Amino acid sequence: NAGVTQTPKFRVLKTGQSMTLLCAQDMNHEYMYWYRQDPGMGLRLIHYSVGEGTTAKGEVPDGYNVSRLKKQNFLLGLESAAPSQTSVYFCASSLYREPNQPQHFGDGTRLSIL
Amino acid sequence: AQKITQTQPGMFVQEKEAVTLDCTYDTSDPSYGLFWYKQPSSGEMIFLIYQGSYDQQNATEGRYSLNFQKARKSANLVISASQLGDSAMYFCAMRGGMDSSYKLIFGSGTRLLVRP
Repeated sequence: NAGVTQTPKFRVLKTGQSMTLLCAQDMNHEYMYWYRQDPGMGLRLIHYSVGEGTTAKGEVPDGYNVSRLKKQNFLLGLESAAPSQTSVYFCASSLYREPNQPQHFGDGTRLSIL
Repeated sequence: AQKITQTQPGMFVQEKEAVTLDCTYDTSDPSYGLFWYKQPSSGEMIFLIYQGSYDQQNATEGRYSLNFQKARKSANLVISASQLGDSAMYFCAMRGGMDSSYKLIFGSGTRLLVRP
């Protein structure tokens, strides 16, 4: 039962470097999300996708880009990493848009920007 | 605007006792869902329990139950017969919304420590 898989699990970057976080789900879910978790703040939505080929901004989108070229994959990119982007990143997916659908989360990616 | 408030940054409970984790919410949406997630020290987010805004009965899942008081806008999590493995961070979250994302809005979490 793979569910939602995030790669990599850990990464250290220098300021100004770029990288892409990959999220893959094998549940045929339509909705996919990227969140960041900072100490004492819970999770905040960065970007989301309601289907293949579509993306939209969440609460904290600045400094990030996303792409959903395939239904099962949702990529989060940092074009020029900044120390403020040091965080734990979670990908999530859900089958439907109805409020009763729980989101299934990956195990997270711990990203440090030096 | 939707908001989730968890006022207990940390809680202690003795093993085998019950504990209540508080959650209040604010929304103007008529239809919404309330969720509790557990985050152990290993970091993953584990879905525990769901309560729908139109559900007449409180949700239960094994040792977890949700004390839903709609008029007070509260959705407290009750864990019965606490176990050492229940030590973790617990997040209350809400999903609903008139926008198209149906994103989850999270509270800041409560750290629960179960004492042997």
